[in-house]
Amino acid sequence: NAGVTQTPKFQVLKTGQSMTLQCAQDMNHNSMYWYRQDPGMGLRLIYYSASEGTTDKGEVPNGYNVSRLNKREFSLRLESAAPSQTSVYFCASSEFFRESPETQYFGPGTRLLVL
Amino acid sequence: GNSVTQMEGPVTLSEEAFLTINCTYTATGYPSLFWYVQYPGEGLQLLLKATKADDKGSNKGFEATYRKETTSFHLEKGSVQVSDSAVYFCALETGGSYIPTFGRGTSLIVHP
Repeated sequence: NAGVTQTPKFQVLKTGQSMTLQCAQDMNHNSMYWYRQDPGMGLRLIYYSASEGTTDKGEVPNGYNVSRLNKREFSLRLESAAPSQTSVYFCASSEFFRESPETQYFGPGTRLLVL
Repeated sequence: GNSVTQMEGPVTLSEEAFLTINCTYTATGYPSLFWYVQYPGEGLQLLLKATKADDKGSNKGFEATYRKETTSFHLEKGSVQVSDSAVYFCALETGGSYIPTFGRGTSLIVHP
């Protein structure tokens, strides 16, 4: 069991470039989440998918799009990267939505630098 | 709204030293409190939790007590090891959201 995997681990982009962060889980979880972590701040929720086929905005969705490709995979897309999107991005999953956060499993993170 | 404040890191200690990482919170409602740990190259993992006032969460020698009067949930360990080097996140959740609010994280470095 790999748990939650994220690719790439690290990426450098120029302003205006686009890219997709990939996330996959092998635990047959229904719900998946994307967070960002900025220096001096806690993790903030960007988007989540309560179940396959649904996606919803979190606290900081502007500048991002997501796709729940299937039950396993949940991708995060930056259409036109900005320096303000320099951050560490964490993907997480849980068996069900609206259960205690202690049951969320996190990936190792993707470090993104936008120049 | 909800917020979590953690002490700035890094915290640097020698092996077998006593550890305290401070965490205070503000919340609407009556939160559950959590500590997560992130080891190098890995995702966040739940370390311990407490769901009501005066509860003590504990795991792997770490402890934290839910103090409602001081709105705090400080993480402690009596004798740290090099293998405890990691980033520690304090978090809370209030009923109905089920999306945690995280602190900034505190890096702990333990030297032999």
